[in-house]
Amino acid sequence: DAGVIQSPRHEVTEMGQEVTLRCKPISGHDYLFWYRQTMMRGLELLIYFNNNVPIDDSGMPEDRFSAKMPNASFSTLKIQPSEPRDSAVYFCASSFHTGANVLTFGAGSRLTVL
Amino acid sequence: GQQVMQIPQYQHVQEGEDFTTYCNSSTTLSNIQWYKQRPGGHPVFLIQLVKSGEVKKQKRLTFQFGEAKKNSSLHITATQTTDVGTYFCAGPPGGGADGLTFGKGTHLIIQP
Repeated sequence: DAGVIQSPRHEVTEMGQEVTLRCKPISGHDYLFWYRQTMMRGLELLIYFNNNVPIDDSGMPEDRFSAKMPNASFSTLKIQPSEPRDSAVYFCASSFHTGANVLTFGAGSRLTVL
Repeated sequence: GQQVMQIPQYQHVQEGEDFTTYCNSSTTLSNIQWYKQRPGGHPVFLIQLVKSGEVKKQKRLTFQFGEAKKNSSLHITATQTTDVGTYFCAGPPGGGADGLTFGKGTHLIIQP
């Protein structure tokens, strides 16, 4: 398996623009997580899905953030409109639940909002 | 909510010296996991500890889970330049939720 695949790896955009980040989890993994990493706040869980269904989105910072998982092999995280404080690395991770979530992370999407 | 604290935030060592990072949870954990993130990279799973008092070793790395299952440590013997990175501990968030709550990590900087 190629692992968790994220795109784009880098995104530079201007404030107010829409940003869409994409993730392909490992085949067979039934959990998908979106994390955000900043120097100040570390790794924060934004939202996670189980069998394509959003389970907990309490970490999503604002209504400007939304996430979808239309099928088992694809998820998106969208920010609209983007703001400079959204600049961070966004990681997607997937796991196969066997009593504990051992996460496999993608390479991340580094977002810079000017 | 549950909090996971790690100390120190940064650790500078000379190559060949030992390194230890400590992790404390505000709640009892069913398991604790450790991840390593190289500079510019992504977190990579190292190990999971489940039992009270458990000790596991991976070559020069020794992981411990406290008796009360609220704290853990990672010790590296004779550090090498390949050990550079950030080491995170993480535990289940509690309340039946899935996923992991991560500590803020310990950045290991090695001077040759």
